[in-house]
Amino acid sequence: AQSVAQPEDQVNVAEGNPLTVKCTYSVSGNPYLFWYVQYPNRGLQFLLKYITGDNLVKGSYGFEAEFNKSQTSFHLKKPSALVSDSALYFCAVRDVGATNKLIFGTGTLLAVQP
Amino acid sequence: GAGVSQSPSNKVTEKGKDVELRCDPISGHTALYWYRQSLGQGLEFLIYFQGNSAPDKSGLPSDRFSAERTGGSVSTLTIQRTQQEDSAVYLCASRKGAGTDTQYFGPGTRLTVL
Repeated sequence: AQSVAQPEDQVNVAEGNPLTVKCTYSVSGNPYLFWYVQYPNRGLQFLLKYITGDNLVKGSYGFEAEFNKSQTSFHLKKPSALVSDSALYFCAVRDVGATNKLIFGTGTLLAVQP
Repeated sequence: GAGVSQSPSNKVTEKGKDVELRCDPISGHTALYWYRQSLGQGLEFLIYFQGNSAPDKSGLPSDRFSAERTGGSVSTLTIQRTQQEDSAVYLCASRKGAGTDTQYFGPGTRLTVL
């Protein structure tokens, strides 16, 4: 079965420092991976996705993610964190089968301190 | 352009009552999903609609849950005889076409069952 794991419930980083939010995956076949962000009392906002091609994917708000097949990871990164980046981040993998539903990780709360 | 919209944004109901949650997908998107976000279960898939095909109901937790999609556009998720464990945020997402396309989420409906 497809799954993703986000090993950290919370990540704390100082404003201006680089940030990494970790995600590992387990899939059969080619992985289709996504990152979403959720601000308080809001829905999920799409950040970026990996389907195929370049292992470094650039997305919205200066975020990027690196696909690493040998380590089965898809970590989210940003060179310089902003206080406004503080939110809940979800990694997801597209399921196999007809629905193409997303299977989500448990989420990582990012807290950026000023 | 307009994104996915959901109504109501909040719904408080008494145990045993029926509720209807509405989703308006992005115009032209053929696929529509309902997910549920709860503290104990995280983000979980409920149901999937694709065009005029029969929906995939494999994620519905009980027969108290049902959904329909009229005219290939608006969808309504109905929960009958609500229970306290139904309290959650119900998220709708739509996707344009291919399975690798991005799912775009609405703001969600927060359901509280007293």
